[in-house]
Amino acid sequence: GAVVSQHPSWVICKSGTSVKIECRSLDFQATTMFWYRQFPKQSLMLMATSNEGSKATYEQGVEKDKFLINHASLTLSTLTVTSAHPEDSSFYICSATPDSFAEQYFGPGTRLTVT
Amino acid sequence: SQELEQSPQSLIVQEGKNLTINCTSSKTLYGLYWYKQKYGEGLIFLMMLQKGGEEKSHEKITAKLDEKKQQSSLHITASQPSHAGIYLCGAPPNFGNEKLTFGTGTRLTIIP
Repeated sequence: GAVVSQHPSWVICKSGTSVKIECRSLDFQATTMFWYRQFPKQSLMLMATSNEGSKATYEQGVEKDKFLINHASLTLSTLTVTSAHPEDSSFYICSATPDSFAEQYFGPGTRLTVT
Repeated sequence: SQELEQSPQSLIVQEGKNLTINCTSSKTLYGLYWYKQKYGEGLIFLMMLQKGGEEKSHEKITAKLDEKKQQSSLHITASQPSHAGIYLCGAPPNFGNEKLTFGTGTRLTIIP
């Protein structure tokens, strides 16, 4: 089946620094990628929808200037958490889909801890 | 906005027993996805249901979609330790839309 990778799998950073998380579709071209965050024992919450070559669409309540998303190619999307704070500590998961009627394929997730 | 309620929230089942997890939507369902997640890991796709009345099976897992009830059920037969994890249902807001809203999750524990 289709594979989506994320890098890094975990990262610890100091408060005030920026962190970049990569999401790659390894064996298919992803027209759309999604970024989710998940707090402990809670469900996934969609943060933004990323389409290749265009600006990301952010969900209500998600700060676009804080969570920068770039979808530069059909196989790569990046999420940059700028000026990270401890409350940004979470599990970030990306997903990718080749078209509107296909299932989403999820990455393994990135655990971010901000100290 | 659409909300998906899963029941039960957690389930402890003895190995070999059958179990059912339900996912109820606050709005019309235009499809329903079932995923499994091991804690702290990514989601594994289980099944996608697109039509009312549709039923799909994979190994010992069967999922059904009841459009009228705005509900889907996931049934596991003869549960095994490998079935343990968090089960999430997800649904798009309309047909052909890839954005998914996820359910509250059901944590399944299998007791040997």
